[in-house]
Amino acid sequence: KAGVTQTPRYLIKTRGQQVTLSCSPISGHRSVSWYQQTPGQGLQFLFEYFSETQRNKGNFPGRFSGRQFSNSRSEMNVSTLELGDSALYLCASSPGLASFHEQYFGPGTRLTVT
Amino acid sequence: SQQGEEDPQALSIQEGENATMNCSYKTSINNLQWYRQNSGRGLVHLILIRSNEREKHSGRLRVTLDTSKKSSSLLITASRAADTASYFCATDSNDYKLSFGAGTTVTVRA
Repeated sequence: KAGVTQTPRYLIKTRGQQVTLSCSPISGHRSVSWYQQTPGQGLQFLFEYFSETQRNKGNFPGRFSGRQFSNSRSEMNVSTLELGDSALYLCASSPGLASFHEQYFGPGTRLTVT
Repeated sequence: SQQGEEDPQALSIQEGENATMNCSYKTSINNLQWYRQNSGRGLVHLILIRSNEREKHSGRLRVTLDTSKKSSSLLITASRAADTASYFCATDSNDYKLSFGAGTTVTVRA
């Protein structure tokens, strides 16, 4: 099976812009979770989608949003980018809810906001 | 704040030695997971242990869970250079949100 893929792998944006990141889960996996990883805050949970429904959301402002499509592919969007949004954004898929199943992580999208 | 916290923050051992790291958490959990992250392979799942389990093994890895102390430990036996990585515990909570700790950085010296 192909692994979790994320596009793009690298992105440079300017403050105030918006960005959309994409994640394709492993075939058959219905849950997709998103995480932000920074040296200062570590790995922080953004949200989890299961069968197109947002099941959980982390403590991030409303500028961070996401969605999941019927084929389980997911996108996350960050609007009005701030310098502090510079991070590695990781997507993970699992057969069921992430809390109960091992997650398979993608390579991440490195976002730099200037 | 994070649900799980790993200890120690960093660990340096000789190849062939065992490495032990701990994870403490604050609220009751359904499951606890351990992950490894290195530059070459990204984040990889190691073991999931359920709240009603006390110990699990996978190859050279042994995980214990003590729900009364709200803590877990990960033991890597006979370490190899390839074990050099950061190790994270991930705990859920009543609302099934997964929370990762800050991680333990393990360096295995040849």
